[in-house]
Amino acid sequence: QVQLVESGGGVVQPGRSLRVSCAASGFTFSIYAMHWVRQAPGKGLEWVAVISYDGSNKYYGDSVKGRFTISRDNSKSTLYLQMNSLRPDDTAVYYCARTDGYYHPFDFWGQGTLVTVSS
Amino acid sequence: DIVMTQSPDSLAVSLGERATINCKSSQNLLYSSNNKNYLAWYQQKPGLPPKLLIYWASTRESGVPDRFSGSGSGTDFTLTISSLQAEDVAVYYCQQYYTPPYNFGQGTKLEIK
Repeated sequence: QVQLVESGGGVVQPGRSLRVSCAASGFTFSIYAMHWVRQAPGKGLEWVAVISYDGSNKYYGDSVKGRFTISRDNSKSTLYLQMNSLRPDDTAVYYCARTDGYYHPFDFWGQGTLVTVSS
Repeated sequence: DIVMTQSPDSLAVSLGERATINCKSSQNLLYSSNNKNYLAWYQQKPGLPPKLLIYWASTRESGVPDRFSGSGSGTDFTLTISSLQAEDVAVYYCQQYYTPPYNFGQGTKLEIK
């Protein structure tokens, strides 16, 4: 069965860095584009970033551009989000999700990992 | 960027009655070359990730009950639940996947009256 399992969340001080991961199984990871979507406590969904199936193309939301980097290791079926210069408003549950190409719906989501930015 | 606006923000409907949620995009989501609207609907229950319900504005995802339906084209879309069940209590989001950033609507909270 399809599984996406996020990890790496936790409490981090403002200005510091954190990397979250998403381990995929149950499908051919290397043919899917992958996304990060976040949700601040009690708030709606905010799209963060996408990476193409082979890692050659990436897009970012304006609120994270220049601070966050999305990457993937297809040999390990794992997606990453490197988050630098973290701010309190980055506090959120971070979900990974897959799509069958850039212009397709998000058909499967992980359970999410909580990142809290606080001193 | 394409802005997605849902209405209403919250909705209370009696069991067995119809629920209707609207979504408006700031730009046309209909791609003329394939006549498809790049619009999806998701359901999110407390403590769980979103779940895809409808894509291409009106195509039901496998396993989604047929009481859920999507309609609309261009910039105006609707999610309809024909006969509300207790398990449909959730927040519903529309999303455009026409172009990045793949923005979501602000969400509509659906409750039982």
